Amino acid sequence: DVKVTQSSRYLVKRTGEKVFLECVQDMDHENMFWYRQDPGLGLRLIYFSYDVKMKEKGDIPEGYSVSREKKERFSLILESASTNQTSMYLCASSLPGTGDLAQHFGDGTRLSIL
Amino acid sequence: TQLLEQSPQFLSIQEGENLTVYCNSSSVFSSLQWYRQEPGEGPVLLVTVVTGGEVKKLKRLTFQFGDARKDSSLHITAAQPGDTGLYLCAGVPDYKLSFGAGTTVTVRA
Repeated sequence: DVKVTQSSRYLVKRTGEKVFLECVQDMDHENMFWYRQDPGLGLRLIYFSYDVKMKEKGDIPEGYSVSREKKERFSLILESASTNQTSMYLCASSLPGTGDLAQHFGDGTRLSIL
Repeated sequence: TQLLEQSPQFLSIQEGENLTVYCNSSSVFSSLQWYRQEPGEGPVLLVTVVTGGEVKKLKRLTFQFGDARKDSSLHITAAQPGDTGLYLCAGVPDYKLSFGAGTTVTVRA
């Protein structure tokens, strides 16, 4: 089974801090994704990556950046955290190809910005 | 505005009852996926429907893709408490997956 591991289940940070969310997958998947999940809004795509050192903006990239130095690891960075970035963050991975391939999710990081 | 509209937003039923969740759009999709997310966990793929009019069954869950490939439904027969969770539909209108807001299903014992 694919295992997608997010480094923290819960995280509390202060406004203005630089925040790093880490995600590691063990199935050699080319594609990796970062979403945020808010009540009533579903999952919204922040950034995705189709290969090492490749990144593409999703629907809501403002205030975020990403890093993919190794195939198995995809990091989400909040450059200067703000309270409106309080949310559940989900990382996912999938095989290469079109977007209708199954995505495998981690269990999420619930981030609170105070 | 959500590309995929799910209804209802919340559903609470008694064990043994049936339920249907809907996923609608004005866009045509090459395929639609259904995920279930349990509290404290990430979404898990249940099924992908790819052909207009297709019906897929997964034990007590029946998934249907509309003939025009713009909508889908999930029907659960004789719901059990283990069916409790957030049900999400997702589709690819362009090159990346878009999710609906989800339907929260609670099955009371």
